[in-house]
Amino acid sequence: GAVVSQHPSRVICKSGTSVKIECRSLDFQATTMFWYRQFPKKSLMLMATSNEGSKATYEQGVEKDKFLINHASLTLSTLTVTSAHPEDSSFYICSADLSGSWIGEQFFGPGTRLTVL
Amino acid sequence: DAKTTQPPSMDCAEGRAANLPCNHSTISGNEYVYWYRQIHSQGPQYIIHGLKNNETNEMASLIITEDRKSSTLILPHATLRDTAVYYCIVRVTGATNKLIFGTGTLLAVQP
Repeated sequence: GAVVSQHPSRVICKSGTSVKIECRSLDFQATTMFWYRQFPKKSLMLMATSNEGSKATYEQGVEKDKFLINHASLTLSTLTVTSAHPEDSSFYICSADLSGSWIGEQFFGPGTRLTVL
Repeated sequence: DAKTTQPPSMDCAEGRAANLPCNHSTISGNEYVYWYRQIHSQGPQYIIHGLKNNETNEMASLIITEDRKSSTLILPHATLRDTAVYYCIVRVTGATNKLIFGTGTLLAVQP
């Protein structure tokens, strides 16, 4: 099956720094990728839709200047948490659509755990 | 996308069938029912999806009522590794393809 990877798997940073998380589709091309955030014991919350070659579409209430998304190729999308603060500590998960697939199944990465001190 | 309602938690004995219900009474005619699961601290995993017919694959069976207002995911022989949060999602396939997760059901398979 299709594989999505994320890097890093976990990161600890100081408050005020920026953190970049990579999401890669390893064996398929993904025109569209999605970024989610999940707090402990909560469900996944969709943050934004990442579109290859164009601007990301953010969900209501998500600050686009704080969560920068770049989807420069059909296999890579990056999420940069700028000026991170402790409240940004969360589990960040990406997913990818199989381009051209009518099934609509999404393949999820293993997640990145961000801890901001 | 239509909203779904699931029980917050369920228990199941190992080796027995696990039947997970989902209510989606406001589902539209062109909305599919998808099931994903999330094992602790991992990304969600696709299980199965359907429109109106019952579906079966190597992981599970999906039973959708005739009026499509509810569905049941069946794991025929639950194992300890099936302990996870199961999410029922309805959405229009081929549109934005984004998934909106509800609260899901925490299935605990007991030895």
